[in-house]
Amino acid sequence: ETGVTQTPRHLVMGMTNKKSLKCEQHLGHNAMYWYKQSAKKPLELMFVYSLEERVENNSVPSRFSPECPNSSHLFLHLHTLQPEDSALYLCASSQDRVGTNTEAFFGQGTRLTVV
Amino acid sequence: KQEVTQIPAALSVPEGENLVLNCSFTDSAIYNLQWFRQDPGKGLTSLLLIQSSQREQTSGRLNASLDKSSGRSTLYIAASQPGDSATYLCAFYSGGGADGLTFGKGTHLIIQP
Repeated sequence: ETGVTQTPRHLVMGMTNKKSLKCEQHLGHNAMYWYKQSAKKPLELMFVYSLEERVENNSVPSRFSPECPNSSHLFLHLHTLQPEDSALYLCASSQDRVGTNTEAFFGQGTRLTVV
Repeated sequence: KQEVTQIPAALSVPEGENLVLNCSFTDSAIYNLQWFRQDPGKGLTSLLLIQSSQREQTSGRLNASLDKSSGRSTLYIAASQPGDSATYLCAFYSGGGADGLTFGKGTHLIIQP
């Protein structure tokens, strides 16, 4: 148990579907993150939330829409995705967004396949 | 653009050997550097965190060092075991505009029984 839980673990969706990924952290952290891991590429930061406010967008396509209703929960809403969006989506949290308390803890990821 | 390079990309050694994984980064103004382990299809497990003011951290058979001036970090694994087989990732946090970790591609490690 890492303290960061992601659901579902696996998701297959068509390009016209709408789905959501969920992340929950039980660590009392103030910052949460979405990362994308594609084959043979480094992890890419998608979104950062600090105290429920979005800090970083990183030029992610609008078909990915994050939501952070409270400091413990983070969602990634998916709509009209492309096959190249198939990847492992990882959620992470850290005590703070800046400074030295930024040790990151990751969930187990959601393996997304877009068909 | 900040970059992290991990060498080697893959490594296969017999059980019991001591080994060193290398990580180099281009931005010396880092807050901290973190080493992770990733098993196939799984998330990341944090192994060690080195703050910018520290030179090394140890946890069990693992020892990580940090040399900011040369932009290098190493992860030393003593007495390797088959259960150590995984991909090892290093990442640093620079606290700049990109408020997240910058990752390398990882070293895929296989420990032969």
